[in-house]
Amino acid sequence: DSGVTQTPKHLITATGQRVTLRCSPRSGDLSVYWYQQSLDQGLQFLIQYYNGEERAKGNILERFSAQQFPDLHSELNLSSLELGDSALYFCASSIPLTGANYGYTFGSGTRLTVV
Amino acid sequence: QQQVKQSPQSLIVQKGGISIINCAYENTAFDYFPWYQQFPGKGPALLIAIRPDVSEKKEGRFTISFNKSAKQFSLHIMDSQPGDSATYFCRQATCEKLTFGTGTRLTIIP
Repeated sequence: DSGVTQTPKHLITATGQRVTLRCSPRSGDLSVYWYQQSLDQGLQFLIQYYNGEERAKGNILERFSAQQFPDLHSELNLSSLELGDSALYFCASSIPLTGANYGYTFGSGTRLTVV
Repeated sequence: QQQVKQSPQSLIVQKGGISIINCAYENTAFDYFPWYQQFPGKGPALLIAIRPDVSEKKEGRFTISFNKSAKQFSLHIMDSQPGDSATYFCRQATCEKLTFGTGTRLTIIP
């Protein structure tokens, strides 16, 4: 167990729907990062939150949004889902804001299937 | 986004052999080069990392070699074992917007 908890582990939904993925970071970690991993693709950075505030954005679609709550857990909201959104979504956490993120720990991911 | 180019995309190595994976980077403003190991159905996990002020770091069977002039760093797995079969990702750790390398799927055969 990495200490980063993601729920649900699997999610199957129809096109056009909206889903919420949840991440609880490792105890003491203030930064949360979201990544998307499609089949045979690398890890695409989506967004980072630090202590409740958005800190960095990657290739995140406008249909996607995220937030980090006061208890530091984070949610990734995916709306108007398309078949191409089917992927593994990973959350990672670390203590520092940026840079030397030596304590960069990933969760086990949420596998989203859009049908 | 600045890219980290990883090669090869897939690699098959015989048990006991040496596995070598390379990463070429663009951004010279960095402070850390980690390698991550990912098993099927799991999230990536930090395997080993190197700072740019050293040319090599070894941890057990895993070694990172860093070539600053070539802007390249490599992961060597000595005496490769079936349990090393996984996908390996490199990345630069400075800017959070940087994407991981595309990954190398390593398969160790008996």
